[in-house]
Amino acid sequence: AQKVTQAQTEISVVEKEDVTLDCVYETRDTTYYLFWYKQPPSGELVFLIRRNSFDEQNEISGRYSWNFQKSTSSFNFTITASQVVDSAVYFCALSEAGGNQGGKLIFGQGTELSVKP
Amino acid sequence: GAVVSQHPSRVICKSGTSVKIECRSLDFQATTMFWYRQFPKQSLMLMATSNEGSKATYEQGVEKDKFLINHASLTLSTLTVTSAHPEDSSFYICSAIGGLTYEQYFGPGTRLTVT
Repeated sequence: AQKVTQAQTEISVVEKEDVTLDCVYETRDTTYYLFWYKQPPSGELVFLIRRNSFDEQNEISGRYSWNFQKSTSSFNFTITASQVVDSAVYFCALSEAGGNQGGKLIFGQGTELSVKP
Repeated sequence: GAVVSQHPSRVICKSGTSVKIECRSLDFQATTMFWYRQFPKQSLMLMATSNEGSKATYEQGVEKDKFLINHASLTLSTLTVTSAHPEDSSFYICSAIGGLTYEQYFGPGTRLTVT
């Protein structure tokens, strides 16, 4: 069965601190996709990244970076020099790649990040 | 980028009534749409997968007779909550996939309050 675990339910940091949000996943598929989404108080999901299971390269986008390690089934997300605007709930998600339900997302429980000035 | 809209954004209805939520892909044809539900302070849970022209596939524990899904065209899927009760109050979010890219675009969500 597929499962995504975000063990950190809430994280509070002070502005300019670095913060890492953990994500551990379980799947029997060899081909799958991993995602991170940001959900601000408005509720709308903001897409951050998608990574396929064959691409273990780490990715950096501005202050955001992602570390994908298949050996530990983890896909962690780091925000460098956090800002108040980063305050939101962040979701890690997993989807299978094929079949007639390909694309459905299994979400982790979410991590609520609070960045204080 | 691709845009998915939902209507209404907020709805308040009385217990026992039905409410319809629309999900539209505005600039692409969505072969598959998904409906998720999110209770306060909780994660998103998939309710059903909707493929154009066929019956929706419901996740375990989701009552198909209560949550009616219609995907009549490649740009529109509707979710009707029938005989709504206060426990159905939630944030309903749809998403749409176009083609085989598995790029999934989310709508802005509909907040349903049943009084």
